[in-house]
Amino acid sequence: EVQLVESGGGLVQPGRSLRLSCVGAGFSFEGYAMHWVRQAPGKGLEWVAGIRWNSDSIDYAASVKGRFTVSRDNAKKSLYLQMNRLRPEDTAVYYCGKDMGAVGATIDFWGQGTPVTVSS
Amino acid sequence: DIQITQSPSSLSASVGDRVTISCQASQDIRFHLNWYQHKPGKAPKLLIYDASHLETGVPSRFSGSGSGTYFTFTINGLQPEDFATYYCQHYDIPPPRITFGQGTRLDIK
Repeated sequence: EVQLVESGGGLVQPGRSLRLSCVGAGFSFEGYAMHWVRQAPGKGLEWVAGIRWNSDSIDYAASVKGRFTVSRDNAKKSLYLQMNRLRPEDTAVYYCGKDMGAVGATIDFWGQGTPVTVSS
Repeated sequence: DIQITQSPSSLSASVGDRVTISCQASQDIRFHLNWYQHKPGKAPKLLIYDASHLETGVPSRFSGSGSGTYFTFTINGLQPEDFATYYCQHYDIPPPRITFGQGTRLDIK
C-alpha cells in the first residue's frame, strides 16, 4: 500500500524558516518524480514545486521561487521542502504528492497534508 | 505561460444528475490535462489522466474528453459521495511544472 506521510508543519513567524518532510512507503520511491502542492484557507490547489526522480530537473511556482527549495533523499525515501523568508500568504496545508512517472506530470497519490501557519 | 480557465466555479446538482465541467487552455496543450477530486480534510484524488484515461479503481460514471485547447469532465449519475471540489491540471512539457485550474465546487441542490 502506497503511503506518504508529511511532517514539519506548524506556526512560524513571518520571515522565519521551516522545513517540511515527506516519507514514502509501499512503492519504489527512487523511481518517481515528487511534488509539493498547497491549499491556502478558502483557496484552490496551488502547485509549489516538483522534482524528478534523480533530481536532475527541479521547478518552482513563481510565488515561491528563490525562497523555497525542494530536495529528495532516495536512500531515505524522503522528500523535503525548505521554506525560507516565510510570508503570511504562505499559510496553507502542504501536500506531498507522488507522480505517476519518473519525470513529473501527474500526481497519482497524495499525502494527508501538513498545515503551515505564518503569523506573528 | 499557458493559462488554464476552469468553469463553472460552482455548480449545484441533485443525485442522479449528469454534470459537466470544462477547462480551456490559452494554447494547444494536446492531451496534457488531468482531473482531480478533493473533499474537505482529505487528500486529493486523481480521477482522469491524459484528458480521457480513467485512473484505476475510479468508477466509470466519471469521464473526460477533449484535446488541444478545450477539455470537459463529466459525471453521469451523480452519487452522494461525488459532492466535492474538482480541479483540472495541466502539465508542461518537459515536466515537472504543473498548473491547476481554479476549481469547481459541486454542491447538493
